Amino acid sequence: DTGVSQDPRHKITKRGQNVTFRCDPISEHNRLYWYRQTLGQGPEFLTYFQNEAQLEKSRLLSDRFSAERPKGSFSTLEIQRTEQGDSAMYLCASSLVRQETQYFGPGTRLLVL
Amino acid sequence: RKEVEQDPGPFNVPEGATVAFNCTYSNSASQSFFWYRQDCRKEPKLLMSVYSSGNEDGRFTAQLNRASQYISLLIRDSKLSDSATYLCVVNRGTGNQFYFGTGTSLTVIP
Repeated sequence: DTGVSQDPRHKITKRGQNVTFRCDPISEHNRLYWYRQTLGQGPEFLTYFQNEAQLEKSRLLSDRFSAERPKGSFSTLEIQRTEQGDSAMYLCASSLVRQETQYFGPGTRLLVL
Repeated sequence: RKEVEQDPGPFNVPEGATVAFNCTYSNSASQSFFWYRQDCRKEPKLLMSVYSSGNEDGRFTAQLNRASQYISLLIRDSKLSDSATYLCVVNRGTGNQFYFGTGTSLTVIP
């Protein structure tokens, strides 16, 4: 399967714990996006990378959230001191620079107790 | 005001019906427009891009009205397999943020 993959698929954690998610984009895709989706809502943009550079971050992204893409391939999204409001589906998507079509991974479903 | 607004529905239509969804966007400088489909508990997948001249892909037709800042999706001869949430997506063109609507839920009934 050469699509976007995300790990883990599900994560249950206690409030105050740190969690880290991984995204492996389609190989040769330069752009990588992170989104958050809650029930009944569309995906909400969090941040975006072009190669290893983080070019945009949503104003909604608090300082508890950090994302990296150190070698321009896979990316990690870390949430520190999780809160119950962080419970959501975290989606990763990738695309080529010259194409706007985004290919989404299956998501990581986070539940903060 | 939200960047992208959609009627969440739900739309419940019989097989074979024609159904239309509209979506409005707030930023007149927006440049790229898309419809994505999302099945229950699955990731969104591109259904079609929306071009200024309108475009058609089989039973699906997308239209863009820049003057009124809305995008439409028409589904003809609905199939049971069309049941899903349809997400309207807009890219402003400045930077690379994509704005998703809340989605419109469609259920096609036998």
